[in-house]
Amino acid sequence: GEDVEQSLFLSVREGDSSVINCTYTDSSSTYLYWYKQEPGAGLQLLTYIFSNMDMKQDQRLTVLLNKKDKHLSLRIADTQTGDSAIYFCAVGGATNKLIFGTGTLLAVQP
Amino acid sequence: EAEVAQSPRYKITEKSQAVAFWCDPISGHATLYWYRQILGQGPELLVQFQDESVVDDSQLPKDRFSAERLKGVDSTLKIQPAELGDSAMYLCASSLEVTSGNEQFFGPGTRLTVL
Repeated sequence: GEDVEQSLFLSVREGDSSVINCTYTDSSSTYLYWYKQEPGAGLQLLTYIFSNMDMKQDQRLTVLLNKKDKHLSLRIADTQTGDSAIYFCAVGGATNKLIFGTGTLLAVQP
Repeated sequence: EAEVAQSPRYKITEKSQAVAFWCDPISGHATLYWYRQILGQGPELLVQFQDESVVDDSQLPKDRFSAERLKGVDSTLKIQPAELGDSAMYLCASSLEVTSGNEQFFGPGTRLTVL
């Protein structure tokens, strides 16, 4: 079945850029997503990219997609302490079913 | 702003007991999803409804789990009997339609602890 992998932890200093990486196995995925989860809360959609795009920018967020390598990344510019959370990569198919990665805990040091 | 509602927020039960979770999706959303999130992992889809019909329940442990969405609006997920390994966060989400690219909006979740 589909497998989505992420590194477990990333620590950055406030003001630096953060880059969270994700790899997936199913090349038929049509949409790829980044979700944010704060402690004890549900998931919040941050951004998404369609599979025929290479890059998408949305304010401080930049998503890069390398379809050949099945690699997705999320860059957060000027990272703030409020960005501390778990970030999930997810891939979606024809029926909108999402397969999530294991999540990356982003810790922002003041 | 419209939100997905879930109740209860927290549930503690003993193994072999029955538990039920309720979800009310955003009004007008035809598609409803139940996910299970074990601590330290990403959410895993248990069941997906389009209106009152099941679209995907391939990961639902049907010997103990059941889900229904009788009138195509709110939904109930039941576990009977609960086992220790069922301790997790149960997340409900909804989207306008079932087709790819429809944003899923998540509720706050129900955290289940089985003792």
